[in-house]
Amino acid sequence: DTGVSQNPRHKITKRGQNVTFRCDPISEHNRLYWYRQTLGQGPEFLTYFQNEAQLEKSRLLSDRFSAERPKGSFSTLEIQRTEQGDSAMYLCASSSPRDNNQPQHFGDGTRLSIL
Amino acid sequence: DQQVKQNSPSLSVQEGRISILNCDYTNSMFDYFLWYKKYPAEGPTFLISISSIKDKNEDGRFTVFLNKSAKHLSLHIVPSQPGDSAVYFCAASEARQTGTASKLTFGTGTRLQVTL
Repeated sequence: DTGVSQNPRHKITKRGQNVTFRCDPISEHNRLYWYRQTLGQGPEFLTYFQNEAQLEKSRLLSDRFSAERPKGSFSTLEIQRTEQGDSAMYLCASSSPRDNNQPQHFGDGTRLSIL
Repeated sequence: DQQVKQNSPSLSVQEGRISILNCDYTNSMFDYFLWYKKYPAEGPTFLISISSIKDKNEDGRFTVFLNKSAKHLSLHIVPSQPGDSAVYFCAASEARQTGTASKLTFGTGTRLQVTL
């Protein structure tokens, strides 16, 4: 059972550029979540998919952010016109559809640094 | 508005002794609670969880206690080992209330150092 895979592990870009991250969940996990973590804080929820449907979005997810999960498997998170404040660790998690009390399993994240 | 609070940023415990990590929450709608461990440069790793219908859950060296009236949970690690040194995050969700798997709300973490 392979874990949640995130690519790239690190991304350094200039302010104003667009970036895209990819997440491959654990196979057969139909629920996929994106979180953001900054220094000294716990992960903060961004958005959630059940299969290909995006069911919830945090108000943290400004209109510069977009997430997709077109075939209900992998997901992408795109940030347009990046800003300094976007520098953070972006974490993806997935969970099993068995019932609601299933833990979310996290990938190792993509660390974004905005120059 | 910090709905999940871990008031101790750090904790140091000797190897072999008990580690107790605490977590408080304010949202009475939370009904599923989890503990995660995080090493540097890795994502959080799930440790143990508890549903609000229970007050204790045990898995090997790890036990989680839930006190709903006090809105408090704790993680006990016994005996503590040097490999347990990591940041521990408490998380909560409204799983049952919403009827769907729900987002997690995390605390700010407690850094545990287990010394020899």
